[in-house]
Parts: sequence; C-alpha cells; structure tokens
Amino acid sequence: RKEVEQDPGPFNVPEGATVAFNCTYSNSASQSFFWYRQDCRKEPKLLMSVYSSGNEDGRFTAQLNRASQYISLLIRDSKLSDSATYLCVVNGLAGGFKTIFGAGTRLFVKA
Amino acid sequence: DGGITQSPKYLFRKEGQNVTLSCEQNLNHDAMYWYRQDPGQGLRLIYYSQIVNDFQKGDIAEGYSVSREKKESFPLTVTSAQKNPTAFYLCASSGADGPLSPLHFGNGTRLTVT
Repeated sequence: RKEVEQDPGPFNVPEGATVAFNCTYSNSASQSFFWYRQDCRKEPKLLMSVYSSGNEDGRFTAQLNRASQYISLLIRDSKLSDSATYLCVVNGLAGGFKTIFGAGTRLFVKA
Repeated sequence: DGGITQSPKYLFRKEGQNVTLSCEQNLNHDAMYWYRQDPGQGLRLIYYSQIVNDFQKGDIAEGYSVSREKKESFPLTVTSAQKNPTAFYLCASSGADGPLSPLHFGNGTRLTVT
C-alpha cells in the first residue's frame, strides 16, 4: 500500500462545478498536511495547509479526518484557471523527517 | 523578493558526464531538499539537509551527491552512476518548524541526458 494515495483522475468538470479530491495516508503519526497545486511542467506551489478543524480559503475548503487518515479538498465554482494537478502532501516525524507526496490528481475544467 | 533560484532551467548532457544543478535560497531557511519528478509520477526525495554541513540520503540517493557548505546553497551533482538521470529536478526549502513546515520550491531544472 502506498503511504499517500490519491485518485489519479483525470477529473473533467464544467466551469462552475464543485469538485472534491480525496487522499488517504498510512502513517498514523503524520503531523502536518498540505495541498499543493502543480501546473504542467512547473514546480508545485502551496495551495493550503490542512487543519483538523477544517479550513477554507475562498473557493477552496480542506478537511482532515485523523481517525480515518483521510484528507479532502473541495473546489467550488470551478474556474478554467483551476486546471492543474493537485498534490496531497503529508509530513511526519516518526523515525525522523518524512515528507510524502501523493502522485497527484489531474483536474481539467472546461468552458 | 525572497525565494529559491534553480539554474539552469534546461540542461543537456551526454551519458557518462557528471553534472551539477544549482540551488540558492534567500529565505533564511535551515532545511533544504532535492526531489526528482518523472512524467506522470509523484516527487521522490533524493537528499535533504536540515543544517549547514549536514545532509541525509532520501529514498533515491544512489548516483547523486550533495554538499551544504553555506546555508543559502545546496547544489546537487548527478553522477555517471545514476542510471536514468533524465528527469525534472526540484529544489525546496522549509522554514522554522522544519519538517512540519510547508515546502517552498524553486522553478526546477529539466535535465536531459542522451
């Protein structure tokens, strides 16, 4: 089983749609969680951190469920510019530094 | 503006040659990292350094070497021992909380070895 698993997609949605991405992680000692966005042939960029209480940034909402070891990202009112790959990232300290990237979920938003 | 600078953006080399990728940061971050990304795949950790003059192997260190003589700089050498060096290489740094902090990435070096 991979340490961080994401649905690879691709997700094809029309503009204005709501889309949700899921991510599961295997290390229960994981300490911090993030969503990154990566455009084609570019570096990943931090989209948002994920907190146990859930957090929102404009059209984006992130949730963390530690009991189920599950992270989600919800994008409301999708824009064409949201088309990208979304990476789930998990940091843990069990046995030393460990940052694990999911393979990413590809999103295409169409007009 | 603070950030991470990787150079060059594109690099072409012949098989059997060593090549060094540059990474400089002015974010005053202690920790720096090198990742490799292959098409359609996730990032894999090559080496990381949490403090000057110290570094540790990541998951795929074979065929690579690094140095950390200055806080700002963390160059990566891809040696001829690396069997499949063609890839997108990303340098990153993280701040005060170390592994609990998000990573900040440079814009990457795309290496092609023929």
